Amino acid sequence: AQKVTQAQTEISVVEKEDVTLDCVYETRDTTYYLFWYKQPPSGELVFLIRRNSFDEQNEISGRYSWNFQKSTSSFNFTITASQVVDSAVYFCALSESYNQGGKLIFGQGTELSVKP
Amino acid sequence: DAGVTQSPTHLIKTRGQQVTLRCSPKSGHDTVSWYQQALGQGPQFIFQYYEEEERQRGNFPDRFSGHQYPNYSSELNVNALLLGDSALYLCASSKDRGVTDTQYFGPGTRLTVL
Repeated sequence: AQKVTQAQTEISVVEKEDVTLDCVYETRDTTYYLFWYKQPPSGELVFLIRRNSFDEQNEISGRYSWNFQKSTSSFNFTITASQVVDSAVYFCALSESYNQGGKLIFGQGTELSVKP
Repeated sequence: DAGVTQSPTHLIKTRGQQVTLRCSPKSGHDTVSWYQQALGQGPQFIFQYYEEEERQRGNFPDRFSGHQYPNYSSELNVNALLLGDSALYLCASSKDRGVTDTQYFGPGTRLTVL
């Protein structure tokens, strides 16, 4: 069955520290997509990145980087030199192509608190 | 380019009542998906509308229903409200049912059932 697990419920760091958010997924499909979304206190889910199952190339975008490893079914997200504005709940999500509908399966979220 | 919009922002209802939530998708998008997010949880998929039909449904009772209009906007209706229906309801839009496209979310409607 499809499932997304974010084992870290809450993380607290001091500004300028690096922080990694973990995500482990389960799927029977060979074609799937993985996502990270950010949810600030306002409530809106903000899209950060999408990866398909055939693209294991890791990516860096500014202070953000992502590490996708199919061998361990993990899709981890790192923020370098964290800032107070990074404080939010971060969700990892899975979409399986066989569903033919792009239904997103979310993890429970990791609440990141960056203190000045 | 306007993003996904939802109305109303907040809503308070009592048990047994009915509620309608509205969503306008991002320009160029034809698919609308609805999610329920209880406090402290990840969003849960309710259903998806494409070409004015419900295409996929999550594990939600028939009290939850929806509609999509020709302009791609959508409504979520919940009948016979229960206390447990209190949640943030999120609408997401995408192209072509979102199979290969990213879903973009609106700001949500926070429903409180008393």
